[in-house]
Amino acid sequence: DQQVKQNSPSLSVQEGRISILNCDYTNSMFDYFLWYKKYPAEGPTFLISISSIKDKNEDGRFTVFLNKSAKHLSLHIVPSQPGDSAVYFCAASARRGNTPLVFGKGTRLSVIA
Amino acid sequence: DGGITQSPKYLFRKEGQNVTLSCEQNLNHDAMYWYRQDPGQGLRLIYYSQIVNDFQKGDIAEGYSVSREKKESFPLTVTSAQKNPTAFYLCATAIDSTATQYFGPGTRLLVL
Repeated sequence: DQQVKQNSPSLSVQEGRISILNCDYTNSMFDYFLWYKKYPAEGPTFLISISSIKDKNEDGRFTVFLNKSAKHLSLHIVPSQPGDSAVYFCAASARRGNTPLVFGKGTRLSVIA
Repeated sequence: DGGITQSPKYLFRKEGQNVTLSCEQNLNHDAMYWYRQDPGQGLRLIYYSQIVNDFQKGDIAEGYSVSREKKESFPLTVTSAQKNPTAFYLCATAIDSTATQYFGPGTRLLVL
């Protein structure tokens, strides 16, 4: 049973517009959430994280929003750039339970110039 | 120059052969992880180690083995029992088991 779900396998956005990537989770014990970006044939790169005590975290063009009641988080990229084209993975962990990260299956973002 | 190195970048395995993938880090991280990526499957955890001389099975450990004799090294052996080994293998490290993981560049394993 998937504990972290990224229901959109792919997303296309025009350059300069906002990209919104979504992630849902089922385990209420998760208290730490991360987003990774991955180019083909490379390892994922850590992008941004959020603790369950917050509902928003911002880093430059990237903002992550957490809605605990809905068990939903989203990554906003504004403005989107062609270099943002990659696969984005959502991940979650239950730090109090000392468990490893659980990853979603990823969403492929294509930013069109 | 700090980081995580994985070698080789490409590895070919013959039928019935065991192969070992290397993962080395000089970040002084306690926790190390091995993942497998298949198309459309995301990242699946094979094994992880929270400290030297200790490791736990992940979700897909069958057909794989690991050792953690040194803090810096966490090699993964793909045994002949793994019937579908073709995949992209990723090693990751973290300061501790609850922290952000950082990934190496990956090794692609192909079966001849």
